[in-house]
Amino acid sequence: AQSVAQPEDQVNVAEGNPLTVKCTYSVSGNPYLFWYVQYPNRGLQFLLKYITGDNLVKGSYGFEAEFNKSQTSFHLKKPSALVSDSALYFCAVSRASGGYQKVTFGTGTKLQVIP
Amino acid sequence: DVKVTQSSRYLVKRTGEKVFLECVQDMDHENMFWYRQDPGLGLRLIYFSYDVKMKEKGDIPEGYSVSREKKERFSLILESASTNQTSMYLCASLGRNYGYTFGSGTRLTVV
Repeated sequence: AQSVAQPEDQVNVAEGNPLTVKCTYSVSGNPYLFWYVQYPNRGLQFLLKYITGDNLVKGSYGFEAEFNKSQTSFHLKKPSALVSDSALYFCAVSRASGGYQKVTFGTGTKLQVIP
Repeated sequence: DVKVTQSSRYLVKRTGEKVFLECVQDMDHENMFWYRQDPGLGLRLIYFSYDVKMKEKGDIPEGYSVSREKKERFSLILESASTNQTSMYLCASLGRNYGYTFGSGTRLTVV
């Protein structure tokens, strides 16, 4: 069975500092990996994905994530946090395939950026 | 941009009522999904559909059913609402870029 672990329920970071939101995964075969962001009382918005190719993936709003196969991790990063980045972040994994494969989400990490 | 529209943002229903949650997408996607989101549990898949009139159970289908009569519309039905179905319900569709597009969610309270 595939799974996603987001070990931190909440991450606090000062505005202007770099931020990291951690994610590790377990899946048979090669993974597709995703990050989504959720603002209060809203649905999830797609941030970025790793399908194949370069291990460093750049996404929306200045976010990036690095795929590390040996550590089975896909941590989300941003060089300089903004107060507006405060939200709930979800990591997700599916098995690499040409057709639909089940997507498993983590439990989410609340990011709080302190002014 | 793909839009996924959920008909209600907030709903309050009584125990035992039949509840319909509607979802419409405008990009001709084959795959559509219903998730529920609860604090500490993340997103859990209730049902999904990969084509008109086709449906598959997800991880927590008990107490729910779905309907997909048209490609753009995927409905979630709570046959007899119970208080443990109080939750945020999220609809999503899946495009060829592998990423989901989610609706804004429906926060359902069953009293």
